[in-house]
Amino acid sequence: QKEVEQNSGPLSVPEGAIASLNCTYSDRGSQSFFWYRQYSGKSPELIMSIYSNGDKEDGRFTAQLNKASQYVSLLIRDSQPSDSATYLCAVKRGSYIPTFGRGTSLIVHP
Amino acid sequence: DTAVSQTPKYLVTQMGNDKSIKCEQNLGHDTMYWYKQDSKKFLKIMFSYNNKELIINETVPNRFSPKSPDKAHLNLHINSLELGDSAVYFCASSPSRADEKLFFGSGTQLSVL
Repeated sequence: QKEVEQNSGPLSVPEGAIASLNCTYSDRGSQSFFWYRQYSGKSPELIMSIYSNGDKEDGRFTAQLNKASQYVSLLIRDSQPSDSATYLCAVKRGSYIPTFGRGTSLIVHP
Repeated sequence: DTAVSQTPKYLVTQMGNDKSIKCEQNLGHDTMYWYKQDSKKFLKIMFSYNNKELIINETVPNRFSPKSPDKAHLNLHINSLELGDSAVYFCASSPSRADEKLFFGSGTQLSVL
């Protein structure tokens, strides 16, 4: 069974710090990796996608992928209170349906 | 215009009842999904529907049935509701099954009493 594992948290960081969110997956055939952000009471929204090993940067967000270790992470630089949310890691293989992790709750305190 | 819309937003009902949740997308996408999110935020796939092909998560009880009158709509019908069905149900769509990005509806909070 394909699994995506995340620490549920909460991860608490001070404003301005770097938040590091981690995700591991079991399916070695996985090809696409995503980070969704979900504010309380809202629906998930895609913030990052990554497909090849290495880093991908978009503004304050950096996704990192290591397929050999089956590990994907999301770094948020200069964390803001508005970044407080649950971050869901999702993994996809070909045309298969994306599998989500349980999400990590991030709290950025002023 | 809302891209993926679900109704109702809140649904409170008694055990044993039958209920439906409606979903419509105006994005022209070919693939639609239903996900269930439990109290611990675990987002679990229930169904995927693409060009009349239905993929069912085998762990979903057969009390749950998706109904798609056309490719812009994927409704979820639930028979004989149980307490454990209480959750938030999200509809989502994507341009195709191979497409990565999911567009989610705002969710339906189902409470079974």
